[in-house]
Amino acid sequence: EPEVTQTPSHQVTQMGQEVILRCVPISNHLYFYWYRQILGQKVEFLVSFYNNEISEKSEIFDDQFSVERPDGSNFTLKIRSTKLEDSAMYFCASSEGLLNEQFFGPGTRLTVL
Amino acid sequence: GENVEQHPSTLSVQEGDSAVIKCTYSDSASNYFPWYKQELGKRPQLIIDIRSNVGEKKDQRIAVTLNKTAKHFSLHITETQPEDSAVYFCAAPTQTGANNLFFGTGTRLTVIP
Repeated sequence: EPEVTQTPSHQVTQMGQEVILRCVPISNHLYFYWYRQILGQKVEFLVSFYNNEISEKSEIFDDQFSVERPDGSNFTLKIRSTKLEDSAMYFCASSEGLLNEQFFGPGTRLTVL
Repeated sequence: GENVEQHPSTLSVQEGDSAVIKCTYSDSASNYFPWYKQELGKRPQLIIDIRSNVGEKKDQRIAVTLNKTAKHFSLHITETQPEDSAVYFCAAPTQTGANNLFFGTGTRLTVIP
């Protein structure tokens, strides 16, 4: 069964550094998402992406964040100048269409020191 | 935007008993309500979802009910088993017509053997 994959599984970085989190959505899916989950808390929506552009973003997704689909398979989240409070699990998800099941990747645990 | 409240935050039941988790939402135009199960350290996985044109949906031991007038929906798990122990999240779209999910705060279900 196809799955969303994410790399790396764990990323440790120094405050102020840039990180890029990578995702490979399921191949026939058209909608892509990033969510984050601070340890012990709920899953929070960051951004959705469709047809090579952002379709919606939350208040969390400020100017330090950006997303890109650099080729036909990868979907990346870039965090510029990381802050301590960016430490969280970041999940990528994809869906075939609107109101279809969102399949989540295994997550990347980001630790900012 | 949507706001989703979820209760209870923790729930312990004896194996074989039923468990009920409730969520309320604020946007009366919301039309899609998924439930996700998240085991410790794992990705959220969809267990059941319901669209606003139906009032109930069942899949083996799991059922979801939707009351559009009261703007609440509930997850029912019957004949609980220890492997049902996990955190369960309800969700609703962040805005009408969108697929981006606003998650509830989660319910930690413990099934006692």
